Amino acid sequence: DQQVKQNSPSLSVQEGRISILNCDYTNSMFDYFLWYKKYPAEGPTFLISISSIKDKNEDGRFTVFLNKSAKHLSLHIVPSQPGDSAVYFCAASARDGNQFYFGTGTSLTVIP
Amino acid sequence: DAGVIQSPRHEVTEMGQEVTLRCKPISGHNSLFWYRQTMMRGLELLIYFNNNVPIDDSGMPEDRFSAKMPNASFSTLKIQPSEPRDSAVYFCASSLYQPQHFGDGTRLSIL
Repeated sequence: DQQVKQNSPSLSVQEGRISILNCDYTNSMFDYFLWYKKYPAEGPTFLISISSIKDKNEDGRFTVFLNKSAKHLSLHIVPSQPGDSAVYFCAASARDGNQFYFGTGTSLTVIP
Repeated sequence: DAGVIQSPRHEVTEMGQEVTLRCKPISGHNSLFWYRQTMMRGLELLIYFNNNVPIDDSGMPEDRFSAKMPNASFSTLKIQPSEPRDSAVYFCASSLYQPQHFGDGTRLSIL
């Protein structure tokens, strides 16, 4: 059973607009969350993370929001650029964990 | 700095053959992970090692799959005998704390 879910397989956004990618989790023990970005024929690369003691973390154009009560996190990309077109994976782990649980990914296309 | 190195990048073989995937983690990293990516399940953790010791292999689908880490700089994932449903992209990742750093994967096709 998927403990981390990304319910939107794909998303298209115009260049310059905001991209919002969503992720839901079921395990209340999860307390550390990451987003990875993956280009075709490459491995996932780390993008941004957040721990459960925060509800927001920002890094340049990328912001991750965490809503613990809803067991939901989202990644905002503003402004979106064509180079952001990739598959984005959400991942979560528990406090003592080395083990991460990944979602199925959302394919983002930024249209010039 | 060299990242995680996986070989081969592509493997095409016939059902029933033995397949060996290789991984060289980043020097100094003490944890190594093997994942399988499929459309239906995304990135699934198969097994992970800490200081060369297997910690959790509950994700290994069947006895046909085995993994070893004989030293800190090398790991293998073996499938014997291979089946068409094993076709997927297999990733290796390593870490010292977080985050995990991934290799570029091995695309495996079993005919």
